[in-house]
Amino acid sequence: NAGVTQTPKFQVLKTGQSMTLQCAQDMNHEYMSWYRQDPGMGLRLIHYSVGAGITDQGEVPNGYNVSRSTTEDFPLRLLSAAPSQTSVYFCASSAGLENSPLHFGNGTRLTVT
Amino acid sequence: KQEVTQIPAALSVPEGENLVLNCSFTDSAIYNLQWFRQDPGKGLTSLLLIQSSQREQTSGRLNASLDKSSGRSTLYIAASQPGDSATYLCADFTGNQFYFGTGTSLTVIP
Repeated sequence: NAGVTQTPKFQVLKTGQSMTLQCAQDMNHEYMSWYRQDPGMGLRLIHYSVGAGITDQGEVPNGYNVSRSTTEDFPLRLLSAAPSQTSVYFCASSAGLENSPLHFGNGTRLTVT
Repeated sequence: KQEVTQIPAALSVPEGENLVLNCSFTDSAIYNLQWFRQDPGKGLTSLLLIQSSQREQTSGRLNASLDKSSGRSTLYIAASQPGDSATYLCADFTGNQFYFGTGTSLTVIP
């Protein structure tokens, strides 16, 4: 009964470092997505995927890469961390149908110094 | 680009009061409209989903309505309780993307 699992929960990076935020779901959902949440700005879509091997950009993709080699996993890579990437990151998945709710992970709180 | 707006940004009510949260969107070509609850430091939990062909959905004390023609959705909470205190966000699913409002922070005072 895991749902959407994100790791790590907290991370501190120095400017210029790279890292990967992990996201896995066990509901066989085709649709997966990454958001960042900043105070006063709501959730903004970074990248999304409608199935294995298919990814697309959202509203704020710069500085982030994704891949979708399996249905279950959708990692988010920060190429060269910047202080502007300090945020809370959420992964979410859905069956992608009209009647399918969006399921969220518990988030990763990232600080870039 | 779809834009989703939630008013008010914050709301404080005494326990037991009925209340309405508002969500408006600019593009009516949505697949569905969802309401979420977010507790501090947590992820979002889906509360209600209204498909584009539906007008409302109910779950317990919660009722959500959808009027695509006017670009509006409301979340009605009956007989509010302190445990309802949280941030409520709406989001619509349009063109393979979910667009979120900035949320309404609700405080229910015992």
